[in-house]
Amino acid sequence: GQQVQQSPASLVLQEGENAELQCNFSSTATQLQWFYQSPGGSLVSLLSNPSGTKHTGRLTSTTVTKERRSSLHISSSQTTDSGTYLCAIDRSSGSWQLIFGSGTQLTVMP
Amino acid sequence: NAGVIQTPRHKVTGKGQEATLWCEPISGHSAVFWYRQTIVQGLEFLTYFRNQAPIDDSGMPKERFSAQMPNQSHSTLKIQSTQPQDSAVYLCASSRQNYAEQFFGPGTRLTVL
Repeated sequence: GQQVQQSPASLVLQEGENAELQCNFSSTATQLQWFYQSPGGSLVSLLSNPSGTKHTGRLTSTTVTKERRSSLHISSSQTTDSGTYLCAIDRSSGSWQLIFGSGTQLTVMP
Repeated sequence: NAGVIQTPRHKVTGKGQEATLWCEPISGHSAVFWYRQTIVQGLEFLTYFRNQAPIDDSGMPKERFSAQMPNQSHSTLKIQSTQPQDSAVYLCASSRQNYAEQFFGPGTRLTVL
């Protein structure tokens, strides 16, 4: 079945630095979403990007479907960006069920 | 748009008691999903409905868990005879159409003593 690996597991940055988060998956995905979760908080959808490049605000996601990988770039990080970033893929083509990676814990220091 | 609404936000039950969790999807969304999150297992899919019909319950523990969607405005997840290992955050999500983004509610934190 579909497996999702995220790296790095944790990342510490100084405010203003850029972050690059990676998501690799084992089978072709037709649905890919990046989420943000603050400590004890709910999941916030950041981007839905099953292929190509998408931008929103300081976030850029690039997904290369054939290589089964996606990245999330956060530019000019802020302390409020601290939290866990999760990548989720559909379990199989045509399935609506999302399989989640274990996340990247981002800490942005002032 | 209020987003996905889940009630209660926190629930504490004694071992063996029943717990019912409620979800109100975003108006106009045709699919409703249930997941649960624990420190050890991370996020796990439980079940989902499309146009109120159950489609996939492959993630549901078979014996004590059940889910229903009696109308388009709410879904319930019922856990009978709760056990300590059922303690988790139960998350509900909804989406508009095939392969659209899933939007999550704030979750219900269930603690079974």
